[in-house]
Amino acid sequence: QVQLQESGPGLVKPSQTLSLTCTVSGGSISSGGYYWSWIRQHPGKGLEWIGYIYYSGSTYYNPSLKSRVTISVDTSKNQFSLKLSSVTAADTAVYYCASGSINWFDPWGQGTLVTVSS
Amino acid sequence: EIVMTQSPATLSVSPGERATLSCRASQSVSSNLAWYQQKPGQAPRLLIYGASTRATGIPARFSGSGSGTEFTLTISSLQSEDFAVYYCQQYNNWPPENTFGQGTKLEIK
Repeated sequence: QVQLQESGPGLVKPSQTLSLTCTVSGGSISSGGYYWSWIRQHPGKGLEWIGYIYYSGSTYYNPSLKSRVTISVDTSKNQFSLKLSSVTAADTAVYYCASGSINWFDPWGQGTLVTVSS
Repeated sequence: EIVMTQSPATLSVSPGERATLSCRASQSVSSNLAWYQQKPGQAPRLLIYGASTRATGIPARFSGSGSGTEFTLTISSLQSEDFAVYYCQQYNNWPPENTFGQGTKLEIK
């Protein structure tokens, strides 16, 4: 089965851009049929879908985050990435990447905690 | 935005007993609902999609039901590994919103 692993800085300063990468193994992003997602979980809270991308580059974003989010894909590296601009403390969360259909998410990466603080 | 409300927030059940978790949508989502299980320090795991279809490898003691605005996840005979937090997620809208409920913590009684 596909495995996913998030990577990126664990600490980001307020107003800067959060950048994370998800490396996919055990399958090819460019094989099609799957959507590649970012989801976050605020400490001790529920889940919030951020957006997803198809291998072709088509993207769909959560309307509440759309103005600050960019998801991109690098099929040559079998990776996809998240950029979230103008971060504040409210963006502190565990960020997960996930695969799946356009409707549900399976499997997920282990998650990475990103703290926004000066 | 479709709001998903789960109840109860915490459910205490003894091992071997049945657990029933509820999820309500603020408007109809047809059968466009998934359930996930999350254990401490782990990522969520897909259990159910299409309101009632078990994901690959999910034991038969997990079952989902409902449509429209009312959904239920039932665990027929609780095992020790089932104590976790459960989330529902709707995927009815287009363009997608993919909203989650706030979770139900299933704890050992």
